[in-house]
Amino acid sequence: GAGVSQSPSNKVTEKGKDVELRCDPISGHTALYWYRQSLGQGLEFLIYFQGNSAPDKSGLPSDRFSAERTGGSVSTLTIQRTQQEDSAVYLCASSLLDQPQHFGDGTRLSIL
Amino acid sequence: GNSVTQMEGPVTLSEEAFLTINCTYTATGYPSLFWYVQYPGEGLQLLLKATKADDKGSNKGFEATYRKETTSFHLEKGSVQVSDSAVYFCALRPTTSGTYKYIFGTGTRLKVLA
Repeated sequence: GAGVSQSPSNKVTEKGKDVELRCDPISGHTALYWYRQSLGQGLEFLIYFQGNSAPDKSGLPSDRFSAERTGGSVSTLTIQRTQQEDSAVYLCASSLLDQPQHFGDGTRLSIL
Repeated sequence: GNSVTQMEGPVTLSEEAFLTINCTYTATGYPSLFWYVQYPGEGLQLLLKATKADDKGSNKGFEATYRKETTSFHLEKGSVQVSDSAVYFCALRPTTSGTYKYIFGTGTRLKVLA
C-alpha cells in the first residue's frame, strides 16, 4: 500500500542483543519521526529527520539508541545492548512539511 | 515549555452516550492542535485538526474547538458507537519557526459497551 510501513511487526530478543527496526515512509514525505509507546504511556518522541537537515535527536533516551535515514527515505532505528526497559512499541511517522503525520502500525519489541 | 494534558482513562460509556475527552495545552504563540485515534494493534490515525483560534475540527461525528482563552481542545461526540472504542491522543505542533516536532498527550482509552 501507500502508507508508512514498519518492519518487523514484532521482535523478541534477549537482553544485551542489538536490534534494528525499519521504517519505510510514504514516498515524497520529507519529514520522518520515531516515537516510543510504553505500556500505559503516551508517545515519547525519540528523533526527527527533516530533508537534508541535521536530525533532532533530543528525545533519544541514551547513547544505546541511534537512527539514520538513508537517501532521504528509509530509516533504521538501532538499539544496542538492549535492556528490559526498552520493551515497547516503536512507532514511525512521516509527513510533508507542515502537514499532519501519517503513522505506521509500529514494531512491538519485547526484551526477555 | 510546550505540553499537552489529557484526562486519564479509561472512559467507559454505553452506546449512544455523549462523549467528552478533555485536553488542555501549554504553548507559546498559536500552535496547531490535533486529535489522533489508535485502534487496537494499529498505529495512530489523524482524526481531526485545528490550526487557529476558534477553528472547529470535525470528522466521523467527532468535533473539537480550538479555544485560545482556555487553552483547550476538548473532543466531543454526540452519540458513540462500539466501533469508537480506541485510544485517543491530543497533540500540538508548535509554531516556532523550523520546528515540526509534535507534543502528544498520554492518551485516553475509550471503551463503548453495547
